[in-house]
Order: sequence, then C-alpha cells, then structure tokens
Amino acid sequence: QKEVEQDPGPLSVPEGAIVSLNCTYSNSAFQYFMWYRQYSRKGPELLMYTYSSGNKEDGRFTAQVDKSSKYISLFIRDSQPSDSATYLCAMSVGNEKLTFGTGTRLTIIP
Amino acid sequence: GAVVSQHPSWVICKSGTSVKIECRSLDFQATTMFWYRQFPKQSLMLMATSNEGSKATYEQGVEKDKFLINHASLTLSTLTVTSAHPEDSSFYICSARAGTGMGQPQHFGDGTRLSIL
Repeated sequence: QKEVEQDPGPLSVPEGAIVSLNCTYSNSAFQYFMWYRQYSRKGPELLMYTYSSGNKEDGRFTAQVDKSSKYISLFIRDSQPSDSATYLCAMSVGNEKLTFGTGTRLTIIP
Repeated sequence: GAVVSQHPSWVICKSGTSVKIECRSLDFQATTMFWYRQFPKQSLMLMATSNEGSKATYEQGVEKDKFLINHASLTLSTLTVTSAHPEDSSFYICSARAGTGMGQPQHFGDGTRLSIL
C-alpha cells in the first residue's frame, strides 16, 4: 500500500462545475499538507498549504484536512478551462521530504 | 513571491556529455533545495536534498557520482549529470524551501527537459 493514495483520473467536468480532488494517506504523523498544480511541461505550482486539520480558503480554492480520517480534499469552485492541469497532493512530517500522491489529471470542458 | 528559476529549460546533447542544470531562488534565501526527476505521466521522484554549504543527501538508488549536486550559496544549487546516456533522458525539477521554520512548503522551478541522443 502506498503512503499516499490519489486517483489518477482522468477527470473531466464542464466549465463552472465544482471540482473535488482527494487524497488518502496512511502515515498519521503527517502534519503539513499541500496541493500543487502542474501544467504540462512545467514545474508544480503551490496552490494551498495547510497545517493539521481544518479548512483553508483562497479565492476559488478550498483545502480540507481531516486527520482523523487521514483524508484531504481540494475543492475548485466555478471551474475554468485554465484549471485544466494535473493536481498533486503532498504532505510531510516537519521538515522531512515531501510525500506526493500520483496526481489527478483534470480537464475542464468549455 | 517565492520564485524559483531553473535553467536551461531544455537541453539536447550527445551521449557522454556532462550537463549542468542551475536552480536559483530569486526572491528568497533557500537553505535547503531539492532535486527531482519526473517520468511522463508519473509523480515526482526525489533524487537528493541539498543544504547550503554541505554535501547533498541522496535517495536510495541514486548514483551520487552520476548526479553531482552543489549548493554553494543560499540562492543557487546546481545538478550536473555526468557522462549522460540516453537512459538519463528525463524531466528534472528543482525546488527550494523558503525559510527555516518547521514545515515550510517547497517552491518549484519550471523544470529542465534533458534529451540525450
């Protein structure tokens, strides 16, 4: 079993829909949780960064962390074609190396 | 803020050539930088962690003599692929961690596409 599980998709949704992306993990020691967006042939771009359980909102993006269920989510409201990319979840224990999910490929259909 | 620049973005060279890739943090000091390799449609694979002024820590299975890492300043780390061969062709990405506080996120460069003929 991988430490971090993420559905690779592909996931296609119509423009304007709410997108829900998820990761589950097995290591209860993870404290820091991140979502990155990666366009083709580019490096990952940090979207959201959260510590421990709770919600964090930034514009159209909301990140949720449920440590009791070992489950994190990223919601994208009013999805746009420019949101089409691969979304990677990542997590760490303190300053140790990041553990990534496999990434979910998302396509927003105009 | 937190911009990481990576150069070159794409390099094509002959087998046996050594290739150097630069990673710079433009607007912050990075005591720790990371080097990753990414294969098509796969997630990032950590190759090594470098701390300014000290030797890099390589992940299991990564040849330190093949992939030389230097982190000589707080804003620059370099990865040199020595005597590159076609199997070294890949997408190499660096990242830098801003600050020394616990759990600071990593910020990534735009990657270097390396093609060895």
